[in-house]
Amino acid sequence: DTEVTQTPKHLVMGMTNKKSLKCEQHMGHRAMYWYKQKAKKPPELMFVYSYEKLSINESVPSRFSPECPNSSLLNLHLHALQPEDSALYLCASSQDYYNEQFFGPGTRLTVL
Amino acid sequence: GQQVMQIPQYQHVQEGEDFTTYCNSSTTLSNIQWYKQRPGGHPVFLIQLVKSGEVKKQKRLTFQFGEAKKNSSLHITATQTTDVGTYLCQGGSEKLVFGKGTKLTVNP
Repeated sequence: DTEVTQTPKHLVMGMTNKKSLKCEQHMGHRAMYWYKQKAKKPPELMFVYSYEKLSINESVPSRFSPECPNSSLLNLHLHALQPEDSALYLCASSQDYYNEQFFGPGTRLTVL
Repeated sequence: GQQVMQIPQYQHVQEGEDFTTYCNSSTTLSNIQWYKQRPGGHPVFLIQLVKSGEVKKQKRLTFQFGEAKKNSSLHITATQTTDVGTYLCQGGSEKLVFGKGTKLTVNP
């Protein structure tokens, strides 16, 4: 299995909602990532988990809360988001931090 | 901080023409990865370069890593309409940093 899966594909939420994005990989990769991508921009790194521990937080606002329940799963919990948080949220995984990354299809998030 | 500059930002070519995109880093890189992102899609890994002066080929695509490990290029020979998309480089140093990408459009 060489896929990274993400759910949901699309999400519309209000500014007072709480929602979660999910990511899963079964390639035995030990590094997992959350990226945010706005239109016509490259992916912007948010968080990195290495061996199930948070190793990088790129000064992301606390309304985004990552979680890595086990080596295959990565969640991103969302609370009190702003309209400017609307974007494509990409999950990726790699064997180790400096290896090539495999991206999931992303969750298209709209905050109203 | 570490920066990866990628040029050009946009490139429009006629089908059959060649295409090149360049990445330049402000710091020496441990490695560089190249990805392709189709419109509406997600980045797909193409290649990783690790060694100084390394050249790798994938069919019509040629990837080079500079001798100083600060720059890299992706060259496509005889572009096809299936080559359209944004080509992204990702440099590894202290962190993994994406360039801004080069959007390629191909006129049939």
